[in-house]
Amino acid sequence: GAGVSQSPSNKVTEKGKDVELRCDPISGHTALYWYRQSLGQGLEFLIYFQGNSAPDKSGLPSDRFSAERTGGSVSTLTIQRTQQEDSAVYLCASSPQGPNIMNEQFFGPGTRLTVL
Amino acid sequence: QQQVKQSPQSLIVQKGGISIINCAYENTAFDYFPWYQQFPGKGPALLIAIRPDVSEKKEGRFTISFNKSAKQFSLHIMDSQPGDSATYFCAASGYSGAGSYQLTFGKGTKLSVIP
Repeated sequence: GAGVSQSPSNKVTEKGKDVELRCDPISGHTALYWYRQSLGQGLEFLIYFQGNSAPDKSGLPSDRFSAERTGGSVSTLTIQRTQQEDSAVYLCASSPQGPNIMNEQFFGPGTRLTVL
Repeated sequence: QQQVKQSPQSLIVQKGGISIINCAYENTAFDYFPWYQQFPGKGPALLIAIRPDVSEKKEGRFTISFNKSAKQFSLHIMDSQPGDSATYFCAASGYSGAGSYQLTFGKGTKLSVIP
């Protein structure tokens, strides 16, 4: 079975441009998370989707960030008017059910975003 | 603010030695403590996890020690091997108050095991 996939693997953009990052979770996983990994800063929670419930957006750093999940599967993280401080690795994770603190989160390889 | 403090930031251990990474947390509502291992260019992967009703959990060469009163937990890697060279993240899970459980991660420890 395929794991979590993300695309693109690398994205270089100019300051002020919009970017879209895609996540394909493991089939059947109802929970999907987005994290941001900056150098030396660990993993920062951004947003969480669980089934048809309203997403938990409490981690989004500004209104330039948004995400959607279509059909309970694929998710897209959109960053509008990118800034240099948005440069980071964006990780997606899925888990088989949630919210359940014992559910393992399976991570994708990430998208490395560089804003020039 | 929920925090998980991890140390050291980097660690160099000789092959066959013991690697020890420490974490401390503040929120007593945390009740699930996983460790994730991340190799370059890959996403983190669950290594081992513990709940606070036990003081120790061992899986192969990896052991978590948990001290609830001190709000500290640590990862011990026995007989460290070059293949263990990776970045290790501790994490803690608790209710976010917005209908979900989140993982709060430490900043990571880059482990290098030298032959």
